[in-house]
Amino acid sequence: AQSVAQPEDQVNVAEGNPLTVKCTYSVSGNPYLFWYVQYPNRGLQFLLKYITGDNLVKGSYGFEAEFNKSQTSFHLKKPSALVSDSALYFCAVRDLDMRFGAGTRLTVKP
Amino acid sequence: SAVISQKPSRDICQRGTSLTIQCQVDSQVTMMFWYRQQPGQSLTLIATANQGSEATYESGFVIDKFPISRPNLTFSTLTVSNMSPEDSSIYLCSVEIGIAEAFFGQGTRLTVV
Repeated sequence: AQSVAQPEDQVNVAEGNPLTVKCTYSVSGNPYLFWYVQYPNRGLQFLLKYITGDNLVKGSYGFEAEFNKSQTSFHLKKPSALVSDSALYFCAVRDLDMRFGAGTRLTVKP
Repeated sequence: SAVISQKPSRDICQRGTSLTIQCQVDSQVTMMFWYRQQPGQSLTLIATANQGSEATYESGFVIDKFPISRPNLTFSTLTVSNMSPEDSSIYLCSVEIGIAEAFFGQGTRLTVV
């Protein structure tokens, strides 16, 4: 069965600095990988996905993620963080169904 | 994309009662799912709502506790039966469109007292 791990419960960065939210995965076949963001009292919003093709995937709000097959990782990145990026971020892997990581709370401080 | 309307958005219920949550999608979708999310925690898949047949439940979830209906390709309900405080959570409806892209409702925040 597929699984995904987010090793960091919390990530703190200063506004304007680059941010990385880590994700590693385990799946038997080719992975379908996703990042979602959840703002307080809101449902999940899709950010980006990797199905096939270029390892660097660009998504919403200036976010991107890099698929690394050898390291089984799919880290979320943004070159310059905004205070409004503060939210809960979930990595997910799709095989027979969607499995989510535990989530990483990103806090961007002014 | 898809627009998902989930009702109610929140409720406070007495233990021992049941609550039915509705999920309406603005287009026909094949795959529809129900998740539970404890506050500040990750999502746990409860079941896949199948149109025209019984829902497929994940380990730890049973039909008697979480009966699901899926009468057509745009609508589903999840009932939380005989509620206890441990059922306090956020319940999310989700649909998949295209290549495994999931969309979520706003969620139903349930508090059982």
